[in-house]
Amino acid sequence: AQRVTQPEKLLSVFKGAPVELKCNYSYSGSPELFWYVQYSRQRLQLLLRHISRESIKGFTADLNKGETSFHLKKPFAQEEDSAMYYCALSERSGNTPLVFGKGTRLSVIA
Amino acid sequence: DGGITQSPKYLFRKEGQNVTLSCEQNLNHDAMYWYRQDPGQGLRLIYYSQIVNDFQKGDIAEGYSVSREKKESFPLTVTSAQKNPTAFYLCASSIDREGREFDEQFFGPGTRLTVL
Repeated sequence: AQRVTQPEKLLSVFKGAPVELKCNYSYSGSPELFWYVQYSRQRLQLLLRHISRESIKGFTADLNKGETSFHLKKPFAQEEDSAMYYCALSERSGNTPLVFGKGTRLSVIA
Repeated sequence: DGGITQSPKYLFRKEGQNVTLSCEQNLNHDAMYWYRQDPGQGLRLIYYSQIVNDFQKGDIAEGYSVSREKKESFPLTVTSAQKNPTAFYLCASSIDREGREFDEQFFGPGTRLTVL
């Protein structure tokens, strides 16, 4: 069975500092990885997906199949980045829904 | 900000009562999902449905029931058998392309259920 691990429940960084939210997965097939974000009082929404290889709000994430990781990075954190972040995995060739990690709360301190 | 709506926003229930949470979407999505969100637990899948009149159990289906009589609606009933129902419940939907891939999920605003 596939599994997604986010080792940090809470990550606090100062404004302007680099951010890295960790995500590791276990899956033997070819996965599709996502990062979802939930800002305060807003809906959970897609931030980015590895297949599109784009940068959203300054965030990037690279799929590393050798390390089975999909860490989310941003070079300079902003206060508005404070939110709950979830990593999720989908089987490309399977027929099952997304599997979510337990989430990491990012707090950016001014 | 329509698309997928959930009602009510807050719900209170007495122990021993069943309660139904509403989820409606006008995105013409095939697949719909129910998740439970608890602090430190992330999102846990309760039930999902890929097509009308069909649904599958997720990881924590015990004590819950669903129906999918219409494409746009996927109500969740929290029964008295659910031992710890107080939680935040999220509904989501996605395009289910050719029945083989689950695309980006769009989430509703959630319903917070409290058992008194």
